[in-house]
Amino acid sequence: DAGVIQSPRHEVTEMGQEVTLRCKPISGHNSLFWYRQTMMRGLELLIYFNNNVPIDDSGMPEDRFSAKMPNASFSTLKIQPSEPRDSAVYFCASGASSTDTQYFGPGTRLTVL
Amino acid sequence: GEDVEQSLFLSVREGDSSVINCTYTDSSSTYLYWYKQEPGAGLQLLTYIFSNMDMKQDQRLTVLLNKKDKHLSLRIADTQTGDSAIYFCAEYLAGGYNKLIFGAGTRLAVHP
Repeated sequence: DAGVIQSPRHEVTEMGQEVTLRCKPISGHNSLFWYRQTMMRGLELLIYFNNNVPIDDSGMPEDRFSAKMPNASFSTLKIQPSEPRDSAVYFCASGASSTDTQYFGPGTRLTVL
Repeated sequence: GEDVEQSLFLSVREGDSSVINCTYTDSSSTYLYWYKQEPGAGLQLLTYIFSNMDMKQDQRLTVLLNKKDKHLSLRIADTQTGDSAIYFCAEYLAGGYNKLIFGAGTRLAVHP
């Protein structure tokens, strides 16, 4: 298995622009998680899906952030408009709910200028 | 509340054992995890332990769990330079939460 795939690996954009991060979970996994990692706040759970349905979005910082999972093999995290404080590494993870173990993708390093 | 705490930094000599400690607060945690993050990479699952176990060994890794004190440790035997990374402890909250709570990570530096 290729593992969790994220794209792009690096994104540099200007403040105010829309940013879309993409994730393909491991085939057969039915839970998908979006995390954000910064030096100041560590690893934060933003939102997670179970069977393509958002279960807990309490970690989403504000309305500028939105996430979708249109099918079992694809999810997006969108930031619109982006701000410099959104600069971070964004990780996607997937898991099979029966084991509760999460497998992480390589992350997308976002820099907002 | 949900809180996982780890010391931020550990330095060991190559060949020695490393012990990374973690405390958690939720006694209902079912699984406890150790993840490793190398520079520029994602988190790699190292090992996990179920809450009804006291110890789990996997090659050079030994996980010890003290449920009474809510203390988890990861011992790496014969530490190598390739073990240099950040190690994250995480507790899994079930019961409707279904999410991992991560510690801040312990940066392990291995020197010759």
